Amino acid sequence: KAGVTQTPRYLIKTRGQQVTLSCSPISGHRSVSWYQQTPGQGLQFLFEYFSETQRNKGNFPGRFSGRQFSNSRSEMNVSTLELGDSALYLCASSLRTGFQYNEQFFGPGTRLTVL
Amino acid sequence: KQEVTQIPAALSVPEGENLVLNCSFTDSAIYNLQWFRQDPGKGLTSLLLIQSSQREQTSGRLNASLDKSSGRSTLYIAASQPGDSATYLCAVNAGGTSYGKLTFGQGTILTVHP
Repeated sequence: KAGVTQTPRYLIKTRGQQVTLSCSPISGHRSVSWYQQTPGQGLQFLFEYFSETQRNKGNFPGRFSGRQFSNSRSEMNVSTLELGDSALYLCASSLRTGFQYNEQFFGPGTRLTVL
Repeated sequence: KQEVTQIPAALSVPEGENLVLNCSFTDSAIYNLQWFRQDPGKGLTSLLLIQSSQREQTSGRLNASLDKSSGRSTLYIAASQPGDSATYLCAVNAGGTSYGKLTFGQGTILTVHP
């Protein structure tokens, strides 16, 4: 069974640009969560999508947005990039069924560098 | 607001030693707790998931315990090996409307030297 995949693996952008990251969950998993990891702040929750709807959102500015497609694949977008957005962006998928809370599985991440 | 703390921040041990990593959380109203390992520059690998109704979970040389009332979890690694060197992270899931949100500790950097 294939794991969580994220594309691209590495990105270099300049301030002011925008970027779109993609995440494909494990087959059958319908919940996708996104996290930002930096040396200073550690791992911080961005948002969660389930059945194409954002269910939960972390404390990030509106420049960070996302969406989920009918096949459960998810994208996140960051507009007007700032130097502080440089981070490892991780997505996780889980088999969410009703109110069952299950193990989260993470992808390899996308390393974003903003110059 | 849930806060998760991991102690120690770093640990260096000789191969073969048994060791314990600690995780504490401020709000005991959790649904489950997960332990992960992360190798440098990589994603997270799930090690163990403990539901709030469970006291412990075991996988191979790993054993995780949970004491929800005191807000503590420990990860016990038996007979450590150099390949166990990584950062270990614990994360709590409050469930409910916060289902997809894991709150992470800062991690324990483990080095096992031959």
